[in-house]
Formats: sequence, C-alpha cells, structure tokens
Amino acid sequence: ELKVEQNPLFLSMQEGKNYTIYCNYSTTSDRLYWYRQDPGKSLESLFVLLSNGAVKQEGRLMASLDTKARLSTLHITAAVHDLSATYFCAVPTSGTYKYIFGTGTRLKVLA
Amino acid sequence: EAGVAQSPRYKIIEKRQSVAFWCNPISGHATLYWYQQILGQGPKLLIQFQNNGVVDDSQLPKDRFSAERLKGVDSTLKIQPAKLEDSAVYLCASSPGQFPYEQYFGPGTRLTVT
Repeated sequence: ELKVEQNPLFLSMQEGKNYTIYCNYSTTSDRLYWYRQDPGKSLESLFVLLSNGAVKQEGRLMASLDTKARLSTLHITAAVHDLSATYFCAVPTSGTYKYIFGTGTRLKVLA
Repeated sequence: EAGVAQSPRYKIIEKRQSVAFWCNPISGHATLYWYQQILGQGPKLLIQFQNNGVVDDSQLPKDRFSAERLKGVDSTLKIQPAKLEDSAVYLCASSPGQFPYEQYFGPGTRLTVT
C-alpha cells in the first residue's frame, strides 16, 4: 500500500529565512503534486511534477522530484507571512490512479 | 471556466441523522473524486468515478455512506446514519480523465455531527 509521509509536520519560521519541506513515498510513481491549503479553505494546486528530475518554481517556492529516491522537496526562499498555510504532497497510485495525500506540513511564517 | 461547485458549504446534524452533499464538477471532466478531510489530516479518498462508473470505493464505509453520479456529471454523497466521527470537511474534486491529471478541488462541505 502506498504511503506518503511529509516532514516536518509543523514549521514555524522567521520571515526572510529559507527552509525545505520533504515528501517521501513508498512505492514507484513518476509524478507528484503539491497543494496549498489556507485555513478553512479548499486545496489549491501549486506544482505538478511529471518526471524524474523535474523542477518547478513559482515565486519563493521551488519544488523538485527524485523518483529514484521516492522524494520530493518544496523549498521556501526568503519566507514571507503570506506563505503561511498547510502544504500537502499527493502521489497517484498505479492502476486506478488513486491519489494518496501526505500528512501535510503546517507552515507559519512569523513577521 | 467555472470551478468545481459544492453545496451546502456547512451542515450541522445530530448523530443518527442523514445528510447529503452535492457536487458539480468542471464541465467536461470525466473523473470525479470525493474526499474526507478530518481536521489536521490530509484528504482521504472515499470514492472515485470515471464518468458514471465507480473506479475505486475501497475506503468508503459502505454500511453508512453511498454515492452516485448520474449521467456522468453531478454527484451526490450521502451519509445515513451519521456518527460523531463523520465530522469532517468533504471535498469534491474533478479531473479531465482517469490518467493522473491534475485535480481541481471544490470549496468543500464542512460537516459537524453533534
């Protein structure tokens, strides 16, 4: 059974600092998705990573995928308060393409 | 392009009552998903439809939950009877097809069972 784990679960960081969120998954997959969720809101798609070595960047966020290591990272550069949210990675299973979501990383950026 | 629509946005019921949620996916999207998101956790897939057929319902508590997608468009998710542990946000998502395309999520329905 596919398992998706994120760490850290909680992250409190100062504005201007850099940090990385990790997403590990247990079985083979060649793609991975990152979502953002604000409190009381639905999920917003951030990145779609479609192959090994894929790297996507949007503003202060950069995501990468290493399918051999079964690892994706979401790197935050010079954090700002507006990035405070919960971030989820999701991996599709083979066959039915059921999406398994990670545990989520709750990020709080302190002014 | 209109997004995924869900209603109601909030619902409070007592345990053992029944409740139904409605979802209208993005026009033309063949695949529809219902997720349950308990506070502090990631979404958990309840059921996945491809057009009006069920692809995966392995985590749907079938003794109390049911879902249908008539004519391959709108979908309803029903809980009968509700339990306290059903308190969660129920998210509907759609994608263009079964291949792992990007999913687009609706605003969700927050259910509180008292």
